[in-house]
Amino acid sequence: GQQLNQSPQSMFIQEGEDVSMNCTSSSIFNTWLWYKQEPGEGPVLLIALYKAGELTSNGRLTAQFGITRKDSFLNISASIPSDVGIYFCAGHDAGGTSYGKLTFGQGTILTVHP
Amino acid sequence: ETGVTQTPRHLVMGMTNKKSLKCEQHLGHNAMYWYKQSAKKPLELMFVYNFKEQTENNSVPSRFSPECPNSSHLFLHLHTLQPEDSALYLCASSRASSGTDTQYFGPGTRLTVL
Repeated sequence: GQQLNQSPQSMFIQEGEDVSMNCTSSSIFNTWLWYKQEPGEGPVLLIALYKAGELTSNGRLTAQFGITRKDSFLNISASIPSDVGIYFCAGHDAGGTSYGKLTFGQGTILTVHP
Repeated sequence: ETGVTQTPRHLVMGMTNKKSLKCEQHLGHNAMYWYKQSAKKPLELMFVYNFKEQTENNSVPSRFSPECPNSSHLFLHLHTLQPEDSALYLCASSRASSGTDTQYFGPGTRLTVL
């Protein structure tokens, strides 16, 4: 089935640093979503993107829907310890047998050192 | 609090037991989903219900049996599970199961099969 390539798999950063992670797909997506999951909890939606080229911010988080509709990135500025968690990208496939299905990346594990 | 609740949060069961997982959404959505999350693997879609009708069964073994009595409630009935079925089971909901509707997740049920 459809897979997303999310990178990096993990990041170890100092508090205050900026973070960048991205996802790429082999097919065109209609939407890109970014979720954060903390231990023992379900994924929580951070940002949803619906149009190619769209750039959306949510506080210190900024995400973009790639112009080719095959990629997206998430940036976190001035990281703080509570940013720790697993960040997942997800997207709705635009066509073929996977139309409408939400596919998830493998996740980026973020660790922030105080 | 995402508006999607799941019970129980933790469940330990033997391979011969029968148990059920419950999900309830308070968002007025019409589509509900079951996902399986195993360590180091992307989220795996199991079942999709749209307006109480099952629209997706992603080749899930028959020892998992979903039930959707109305648009707000979703159950996953479990029987004769295997140890490899141990995972976090996540419920999600969206307005509909179309190509762009954002899914909101519950906190999950951590299942351990002995």
